[in-house]
Amino acid sequence: QVQLVQSGAEVTKPGASVKVSCKASGYDFTNYAVHWLRQAPGQRPEWMGWFKPGINKAKYSQRFQGRVTLTGDTSANTAYMDLSSLRPEDTAVYSCARGYYYDSDGYYFDFWGQGTLVTVSS
Amino acid sequence: EIVLTQSPGTLSLSPGERATLSCRASQSVSRYLAWYQHKPGQAPRLLIYDTSNRASGVPARFSGSGSGTDFTLTISGLEPGDFAVYYCQLRMRSNWPPWTFGQGTKVEI
Repeated sequence: QVQLVQSGAEVTKPGASVKVSCKASGYDFTNYAVHWLRQAPGQRPEWMGWFKPGINKAKYSQRFQGRVTLTGDTSANTAYMDLSSLRPEDTAVYSCARGYYYDSDGYYFDFWGQGTLVTVSS
Repeated sequence: EIVLTQSPGTLSLSPGERATLSCRASQSVSRYLAWYQHKPGQAPRLLIYDTSNRASGVPARFSGSGSGTDFTLTISGLEPGDFAVYYCQLRMRSNWPPWTFGQGTKVEI
């Protein structure tokens, strides 16, 4: 069965960087985009970008452009989200999700990771 | 930027009752709207896509409808496992960002 398993919770300081991993299993990792989303406390989910393992390409939301880097390792079926210059307002649950349907980006998200809580605090 | 507004914020119902959740877009949008169910400590689950298509394995008591600016998720006959937060999500190429979410509706007992 399809599974996305993320790395554990992180506590980090303002100005630092964090890297979250998302290990995929149960499907051909190279055939689907992996999207990254986050949800801050009391806020709606927010799309950050996608990574396409098959072509090693990423696309980012303008809101995070310059601070987020999405990568992947096809030999390990794992996608990564690296967020730099962290601020307290980046405290959120970060999730990976598989893009589903219609095109290579995916219009929807059919499988999600369990979420990784990133806390930014001095 | 298109904004999705869900209502009500919280819906208090009993098992067996019908739940009607609303998702309103700030302007007319395409049919590429989905609904997700999210329970605490679990990954979100895709329920409905393309406004009214049930995702694989989703029970028939979940149905979606709507067009233009107004979309609805209906749960006919709530079961104990249905109490959760529900989000709508829009995919629209001409919008930025291309994937946007509503703020959620909590269905509680």
